[in-house]
Amino acid sequence: GENVEQHPSTLSVQEGDSAVIKCTYSDSASNYFPWYKQELGKRPQLIIDIRSNVGEKKDQRIAVTLNKTAKHFSLHITETQPEDSAVYFCAASRDNFNKFYFGSGTKLNVKP
Amino acid sequence: DGGITQSPKYLFRKEGQNVTLSCEQNLNHDAMYWYRQDPGQGLRLIYYSQIVNDFQKGDIAEGYSVSREKKESFPLTVTSAQKNPTAFYLCASSIGRREGETQYFGPGTRLLVL
Repeated sequence: GENVEQHPSTLSVQEGDSAVIKCTYSDSASNYFPWYKQELGKRPQLIIDIRSNVGEKKDQRIAVTLNKTAKHFSLHITETQPEDSAVYFCAASRDNFNKFYFGSGTKLNVKP
Repeated sequence: DGGITQSPKYLFRKEGQNVTLSCEQNLNHDAMYWYRQDPGQGLRLIYYSQIVNDFQKGDIAEGYSVSREKKESFPLTVTSAQKNPTAFYLCASSIGRREGETQYFGPGTRLLVL
C-alpha cells in the first residue's frame, strides 16, 4: 500500500518567518494530497489540498507544491503567526475509494 | 465539519469490556471513516464505509467492529480483543461520489483504559 513520510517532526520558527513541511509518497497512482491542521485536542481541519494534475496551489499565506516525478509535495506557510502553531498532517489518496494515508505529523511552533 | 458529532468525549474501558463510540453526521455524506491517533503519530484507518450496509477493513481493523445501518451513523466498537485501545479516535465523512474528496472530521473520542 501507500507509504507517506513527513518531515520534519517538529519545526520552530520566529513569527513572520516562513515554514516549510515536506512529504514523500510511494504510490505513483496517488492523485489527491490534502493538508490538515490539528490544534491540541481538536479535530483535524483541511487547510489546503492539491490534485495530481496541478503543480502548485496557493491560498493567501498557504501554498502547496507537488512534484509527481519525485513523488513529493510540500506545504509552505509565509508570514507565520502564533495562531499557526499546531500539528500539520499531509495525506495521499488514490483512486481506490478515497482511502487516505497520513504522514506522521509536524508540530509547528511559531514564537512571538 | 460542524455536522459530524462524536460521543462521548472521554470514555473509560475496563479490562475485558467492549465499548462503543458513536459517530453521527447530518451532512448527507455517503462515506464514513474511523481513524485511530496515537501520540506523535499520524492517523491510521480502522474501518471505512462507502454506503449503508457496507463497510471495509482499514489498516488496523483487528480488535474493532463497526456497523452501518443508517446513512447518518457509523458506530465503532472496541472489543476486548484490542489489547492496546488507549488512543484518540476520530470519525470522518465525505460525500462519497468520487475519489479525492475532502474528509471532514468529528471532534474525537479519547479512550482510556482503567
